[in-house]
Amino acid sequence: KQEVTQIPAALSVPEGENLVLNCSFTDSAIYNLQWFRQDPGKGLTSLLLIQSSQREQTSGRLNASLDKSSGRSTLYIAASQPGDSATYLCAVIRHNAGNMLTFGGGTRLMVKP
Amino acid sequence: NAGVTQTPKFQVLKTGQSMTLQCAQDMNHEYMSWYRQDPGMGLRLIHYSVGAGITDQGEVPNGYNVSRSTTEDFPLRLLSAAPSQTSVYFCASSYGTAKETQYFGPGTRLLVL
Repeated sequence: KQEVTQIPAALSVPEGENLVLNCSFTDSAIYNLQWFRQDPGKGLTSLLLIQSSQREQTSGRLNASLDKSSGRSTLYIAASQPGDSATYLCAVIRHNAGNMLTFGGGTRLMVKP
Repeated sequence: NAGVTQTPKFQVLKTGQSMTLQCAQDMNHEYMSWYRQDPGMGLRLIHYSVGAGITDQGEVPNGYNVSRSTTEDFPLRLLSAAPSQTSVYFCASSYGTAKETQYFGPGTRLLVL
């Protein structure tokens, strides 16, 4: 059974800091890994999708890496802003599981002005 | 494109009542799914559909029914609501393969008394 863990569960940083969110998964037989953002009381917004054959993806100030063999992914946020405050979720799709996403518990990020 | 839309945004039910949560997408996606999000449990897959006329169970299907008569719509039915079904429900969609980005709706908050 695939298990996805995100560390830390919560993080508070001052504005302008670069930060790293961690995601680990137990079964390396995955198709892809997706990072989402969730604002309080809102739905999930897709940030980045990394295919299993890729090592990283970038979008603006966000960079996500994937090390499938070690079961790890990181989301790097450069020059954090108060508007980045949200919960960040990672999810994987493993082989033989259709399109089912297995989610981590999320990291709740607060960026203080 | 409106993306993935869900109605209602919030609903209160009494135990034993029935209701249908609506989900629609205008992106011509083949794959649609329903997740529930609970504190401490994360997001879990309830049911999914790989195309019109085809549905299957996810991790937590008990107490829920689905059907897919069109590509656009994927309603979730609670036949006899129970307090354990108090949750936030999200609908998601993507193109057919497991390698595609999944897009989520804004969610429906359900309270069963």
